[in-house]
Amino acid sequence: AQSVTQLGSHVSVSEGALVLLRCNYSSSVPPYLFWYVQYPNQGLQLLLKYTTGATLVKGINGFEAEFKKSETSFHLTKPSAHMSDAAEYFCAVSAPGGSYIPTFGRGTSLIVHP
Amino acid sequence: DTEVTQTPKHLVMGMTNKKSLKCEQHMGHRAMYWYKQKAKKPPELMFVYSYEKLSINESVPSRFSPECPNSSLLNLHLHALQPEDSALYLCASSQELIDEKLFFGSGTQLSVL
Repeated sequence: AQSVTQLGSHVSVSEGALVLLRCNYSSSVPPYLFWYVQYPNQGLQLLLKYTTGATLVKGINGFEAEFKKSETSFHLTKPSAHMSDAAEYFCAVSAPGGSYIPTFGRGTSLIVHP
Repeated sequence: DTEVTQTPKHLVMGMTNKKSLKCEQHMGHRAMYWYKQKAKKPPELMFVYSYEKLSINESVPSRFSPECPNSSLLNLHLHALQPEDSALYLCASSQELIDEKLFFGSGTQLSVL
């Protein structure tokens, strides 16, 4: 079975500051990892995903994440926060060869202050 | 067209009502999903259809009845719901069941009175 733990239910940053959202995973097989974003009253949108290959993954809206096997982490970063980044962010994991359906973390709410 | 369309966007129903949620995609995806999401919580998987056949039922109460009439359409029939069933119901699709990339609709916000 696979799972993810998102550290911090809320993260607050100032506009222009670095965004760091933390995600640690547990998986018995090499995992596929994802970050999804959910804006208020919307569905989830895939930001980026790691399957195999390059461990630094670039996504939409200037976000990127790095797969670190030794730390079982897949943290999401963005160099400079924008007001429009305020949303709920979900880390997810799936197990290739088993259930490909992602298991979601509890989510982190990103708050951006002017 | 890369959209998953859900209707209605909002639904208020009494505990004795029967209603249906509709989800449509025209991306040629052969796997479709229903999720339930409570406020400030992650989505919880309810049902998965693959090639119009029910593949996964996550022990969902029988008052929720899914239907996949064709490869583009997914319904969720609701009957005798409870107030605790109030939530955002999300539909998603993927190319195949083994395709890890999900496309989500905007959801139906359901309130059960």
